[in-house]
Amino acid sequence: DSGVTQTPKHLITATGQRVTLRCSPRSGDLSVYWYQQSLDQGLQFLIQYYNGEERAKGNILERFSAQQFPDLHSELNLSSLELGDSALYFCASSATRLAGVRTGELFFGEGSRLTVL
Amino acid sequence: ILNVEQSPQSLHVQEGDSTNFTCSFPSSNFYALHWYRWETAKSPEALFVMTLNGDEKKKGRISATLNTKEGYSYLYIKGSQPEDSATYLCASLRSGGYQKVTFGTGTKLQVIP
Repeated sequence: DSGVTQTPKHLITATGQRVTLRCSPRSGDLSVYWYQQSLDQGLQFLIQYYNGEERAKGNILERFSAQQFPDLHSELNLSSLELGDSALYFCASSATRLAGVRTGELFFGEGSRLTVL
Repeated sequence: ILNVEQSPQSLHVQEGDSTNFTCSFPSSNFYALHWYRWETAKSPEALFVMTLNGDEKKKGRISATLNTKEGYSYLYIKGSQPEDSATYLCASLRSGGYQKVTFGTGTKLQVIP
């Protein structure tokens, strides 16, 4: 158990719909990352938040948005869904510093599998 | 090099064979290099966090080396076992704020009993 919780684990929806994926990071981790894994593809970086602020943006579509709340949980909102958005969406968290030592190691949740029909 | 590249893409080895794979990453603004192990139907788990040029890390039969000046890292598995079958990912962290993490596409290893 990595300590990172993602909900829902599975989600089936129709094209054009909107969904929200939720991530609770490990206790104390300030950084949250979102990644997309499509069929037979690697991990594609979407976006990163640090302590509530957006810090880095990857190949995230304009139809997608995310935020990190004061309690450090994060949500990824996917709207106007298309068939190609079907993927496994991972959230990961990291501690910038751990007992004074910089690590940056990412801890991954189990992912949210989105199927768009 | 601008992206994180891993080779080979996939690999089949016999049980007991030793193997190694390569991760190439941007050497500029280097902060850290991570190796992750990703088993099917699970989520990636960190194997090594490497930060210093010349670093060598070892965990059981798995070890890794790091060359930050030329931008590459090797992962070695000695005496591969079927339970080593997984996708091995490397990730490059570059300095300049808050650790943007870029993953390679991974090397998929299958160990044949």
